[in-house]
Amino acid sequence: ELKVEQNPLFLSMQEGKNYTIYCNYSTTSDRLYWYRQDPGKSLESLFVLLSNGAVKQEGRLMASLDTKARLSTLHITAAVHDLSATYFCAVTTGGNSGGSNYKLTFGKGTLLTVNP
Amino acid sequence: DSGVTQTPKHLITATGQRVTLRCSPRSGDLSVYWYQQSLDQGLQFLIQYYNGEERAKGNILERFSAQQFPDLHSELNLSSLELGDSALYFCASSRWDRDSYGYTFGSGTRLTVV
Repeated sequence: ELKVEQNPLFLSMQEGKNYTIYCNYSTTSDRLYWYRQDPGKSLESLFVLLSNGAVKQEGRLMASLDTKARLSTLHITAAVHDLSATYFCAVTTGGNSGGSNYKLTFGKGTLLTVNP
Repeated sequence: DSGVTQTPKHLITATGQRVTLRCSPRSGDLSVYWYQQSLDQGLQFLIQYYNGEERAKGNILERFSAQQFPDLHSELNLSSLELGDSALYFCASSRWDRDSYGYTFGSGTRLTVV
């Protein structure tokens, strides 16, 4: 059974600081996703990482994927209050041709709080 | 607006009752996925439909069932509701093929069982 582990689960940061969220998964996966969720809201797609060594950046967030280590990181640079949210990583496994069986398995999420 | 529409947004009902949650996928998406989010279990995959057919089942209780209709909208039926069924229920949709777009989530239905 695929397991996805995130750490830390809680992260309190000061504005302007850098930090990294880690996402480990237990079996071979073909894709890794990062989502952001504000309290009581939907999941907003941040990044889709498709291959080993993939790196994507958007604003103060940068995500990378190491499929050999089964590890993805979400790096936050110079945090600002607006980044406060819960961040989830998720992976897909298995699947038939045609992309018809690619359910997401999520980590527990990292609750990020950015303090002034 | 993500393009995935879920109704209703909020639902309050009593134990033992039955409810139906509805999801319209993004235009052109053939797959619909249902997820349950609760504080203790996190985000759990329930069931997936692809072009009207069930494709994958997760931790879905026997009291729960779903279907996808010819117009591709999907409904999740929850019956004999218990207090523990209170959660956020999300629907997500994806394209049929393996593109890099990913999965688009709806805004969710918050179910409260009292």
